Amino acid sequence: KAGVTQTPRYLIKTRGQQVTLSCSPISGHRSVSWYQQTPGQGLQFLFEYFSETQRNKGNFPGRFSGRQFSNSRSEMNVSTLELGDSALYLCASSSGDRGGYGYTFGSGTRLTVV
Amino acid sequence: TQLLEQSPQFLSIQEGENLTVYCNSSSVFSSLQWYRQEPGEGPVLLVTVVTGGEVKKLKRLTFQFGDARKDSSLHITAAQTGDTGLYLCAGKTGANNLFFGTGTRLTVIP
Repeated sequence: KAGVTQTPRYLIKTRGQQVTLSCSPISGHRSVSWYQQTPGQGLQFLFEYFSETQRNKGNFPGRFSGRQFSNSRSEMNVSTLELGDSALYLCASSSGDRGGYGYTFGSGTRLTVV
Repeated sequence: TQLLEQSPQFLSIQEGENLTVYCNSSSVFSSLQWYRQEPGEGPVLLVTVVTGGEVKKLKRLTFQFGDARKDSSLHITAAQTGDTGLYLCAGKTGANNLFFGTGTRLTVIP
């Protein structure tokens, strides 16, 4: 069965622009979580969506937003990009148990802000 | 706030040696997961432990969850070059989502 698919794999943007990242979870998984990974901060939780509703949110500014569609696919958007937003953005899906028994991660989108 | 501290942060060993990675916290977790991440890829789940004192074995890897469910360890026997990667522990607390540890970067030298 297909894994978690994230697109695009790589992205270069300029400060001030906005970006949209996409994630298709494993078929049948209704929960999608987003994480930001940087060398200095490690993996930090952004938000989780379940059945098109944001169920949990991390401690990130309002420039970071997301949504989930009826087919469980999810997108995250970052507006007014800053240099510090350069990171690997990871999407993870689970069957709906809030990841309690494990996530399946995608390969990530590497965002570089210049 | 970093809930989970891993040690050591970096580890470089010869093939065939044994090693232990620790994951510690002052918080109690309902479950604890271990992942391995290779460069350019997302983390891959190795194991989930849910009961205090639980020990799980995955071939040469042994995972233990502390009795108080605040800490965990990962022991690798006879390390191989294929074990090289970033090892991450992740704890689930109450209704919150998973919080990841600081990571241990393991290099196994042939």
